[in-house]
Amino acid sequence: QVQLQQSGPGLVKPSETLSLSCTVSGGSSSSHYYHWIRQPPGKGLEWIGFLSYSGSTNYNPSLKSRVTISLDTSKNQFSLKLSSVTAADTAVYYCARDGGAFFFDLWGQGTLVTVSS
Amino acid sequence: EIVLTQSPGTLSLSPGERATLSCRASQTVSSSYLAWYQQKPGQTPRLLIYSASSRATGIPDRFSGSGSGTDFTLTISRLEPEDFAVYYCQQYGYSLTFGGGTKVEIK
Repeated sequence: QVQLQQSGPGLVKPSETLSLSCTVSGGSSSSHYYHWIRQPPGKGLEWIGFLSYSGSTNYNPSLKSRVTISLDTSKNQFSLKLSSVTAADTAVYYCARDGGAFFFDLWGQGTLVTVSS
Repeated sequence: EIVLTQSPGTLSLSPGERATLSCRASQTVSSSYLAWYQQKPGQTPRLLIYSASSRATGIPDRFSGSGSGTDFTLTISRLEPEDFAVYYCQQYGYSLTFGGGTKVEIK
């Protein structure tokens, strides 16, 4: 059974770079698109961007200048980097698998990332 | 960017009642790229409906999706106790956006 397992720090200082990873276990990462989504505490969902199996990316225009999503096929892992973070970036961050038509059929467990000094 | 507006913000109903949730888009959305999710407190969102009307694996048939163009609906035919949650619609066009959510609460 395919699972997405997230890892990364839960606390990041302002102006630094948030880095999270998502490992695909029980299957290959080479045949799906993968997304990052976030949810500020008590608020709704915001899409961050996706990575295709060929390595192409598409990012939320509001975050594009600060976001990088990359793939490490040798580790069956994809990663999120968000630079120059502020308190407004505090959120639960989710990785998710694309089910084939830009919907999310499998989610990671979520990581609460707090931006604070 | 396509803005999705969900209404009502909160729906207060009793178990056994029918729930009708609306998702209205600021521009035409391809039905292929309209999905619905359920989220309970402290949990990860769960896919209910994709391509506007296709039920995801394991989703009970009391959940149904319909609509096209700019107006989409999620219907729960008879609410079960486990259905009280927040529901989000989501679309993909040039970019991907979520609606603000509808909370279905026990009356």
